[in-house]
Amino acid sequence: AQTVTQSQPEMSVQEAETVTLSCTYDTSESDYYLFWYKQPPSRQMILVIRQEAYKQQNATENRFSVNFQKAAKSFSLKISDSQLGDAAMYFCALKTGNQFYFGTGTSLTVIP
Amino acid sequence: EAQVTQNPRYLITVTGKKLTVTCSQNMNHEYMSWYRQDPGLGLRQIYYSMNVEVTDKGDVPEGYKVSRKEKRNFPLILESPSPNQTSLYFCASSLSWTGGSPLHFGNGTRLTVT
Repeated sequence: AQTVTQSQPEMSVQEAETVTLSCTYDTSESDYYLFWYKQPPSRQMILVIRQEAYKQQNATENRFSVNFQKAAKSFSLKISDSQLGDAAMYFCALKTGNQFYFGTGTSLTVIP
Repeated sequence: EAQVTQNPRYLITVTGKKLTVTCSQNMNHEYMSWYRQDPGLGLRQIYYSMNVEVTDKGDVPEGYKVSRKEKRNFPLILESPSPNQTSLYFCASSLSWTGGSPLHFGNGTRLTVT
């Protein structure tokens, strides 16, 4: 069975500061992919970043980067220079085989 | 514009009254799927389809039906809705079921069953 765990239901960060959202996963598959999605109050699901498990290099997209620790099955998201528009629910997701599995989400508040 | 279109955005119905939530994508994606989002539970997969006429159950398929007669459409059918199906529903599509193509989501349907 595949599982995705986000142990931080809520996080907060000061504007312009850096915050890290944690995610751990469990799978016995060797071929898998990891994603972070953002869900603002509009409830639209937006892809933030994507990581292939076979790549050792951590993915980066502008102010968003991941720390992928394959042996520890950890996939954390770092948001640098946080902005008010980053306030949202963030979901970690695992794709293996032909299914996607999501964590329970972390609600991020950005304090002006 | 490339998108996944889901309708309706809001739906209130009564127990037992059959309903269909439509989903259409214009990106020629092979893979389509349905999820329900509940507080504290994240998103859970209901059904998915790898191509036309190929569908399979996700983690929470009970009480739902789907069909994939055309590549672009993947409706979700609740034949006898119950209050425990009150939830936020998302349709999503991906270029292929193989590899790491990300999901593209519709805007969601807020369903309330009384």
